Amino acid sequence: DAKTTQPTSMDCAEGRAANLPCNHSTISGNEYVYWYRQIHSQGPQYIIHGLKNNETNEMASLIITEDRKSSTLILPHATLRDTAVYYCIVRYYGQNFVFGPGTRLSVLP
Amino acid sequence: AAGVIQSPRHLIKEKRETATLKCYPIPRHDTVYWYQQGPGQDPQFLISFYEKMQSDKGSIPDRFSAQQFSDYHSELNMSSLELGDSALYFCASSLSGLPKHTDTQYFGPGTRLTVL
Repeated sequence: DAKTTQPTSMDCAEGRAANLPCNHSTISGNEYVYWYRQIHSQGPQYIIHGLKNNETNEMASLIITEDRKSSTLILPHATLRDTAVYYCIVRYYGQNFVFGPGTRLSVLP
Repeated sequence: AAGVIQSPRHLIKEKRETATLKCYPIPRHDTVYWYQQGPGQDPQFLISFYEKMQSDKGSIPDRFSAQQFSDYHSELNMSSLELGDSALYFCASSLSGLPKHTDTQYFGPGTRLTVL
């Protein structure tokens, strides 16, 4: 079973920041937080991952709380092409990914 | 940058037939994973291989088998196909080694299997 809890769906206005929350209250010290997204039947796309510190790349930022029990994925300027299902996944190094229901993000014009 | 290649992209089979799906990992990646995604469902892990050896096994039916070859490509063999096997099949690859945080999985575009 997935070790994370995410909202079923969210809307975001185009051009605004999209903030996607994820709860992982049972996370262990060596487990990483990964974010992937899937755009309609395409292969899941890697976005970002982190362990303890906040991370940023060209796609998004990942904010992890100090107790590591939750995190937020931030898409700074959402576009229509960011409409997708976003998966927050907690895993150990080398472990397969367990995909949960994810959050269906709709970016609205 | 080169991505994971899967072939064929679409496959139509009859019940009880066999199917073979192929996956070519990103160059230098040594680990391959297979996932199945049924209609309206989330991807489910099937099986993985590291350096040609099975490394982990998920909810893969006994009718399915897979292997990884010396060039690191992998094949998923499916026999006695059933209607319920109709799904998207994704392959992912990763480079498993130090530093540990680099074993991020990168997914291919998938093979859509339809069993009639």
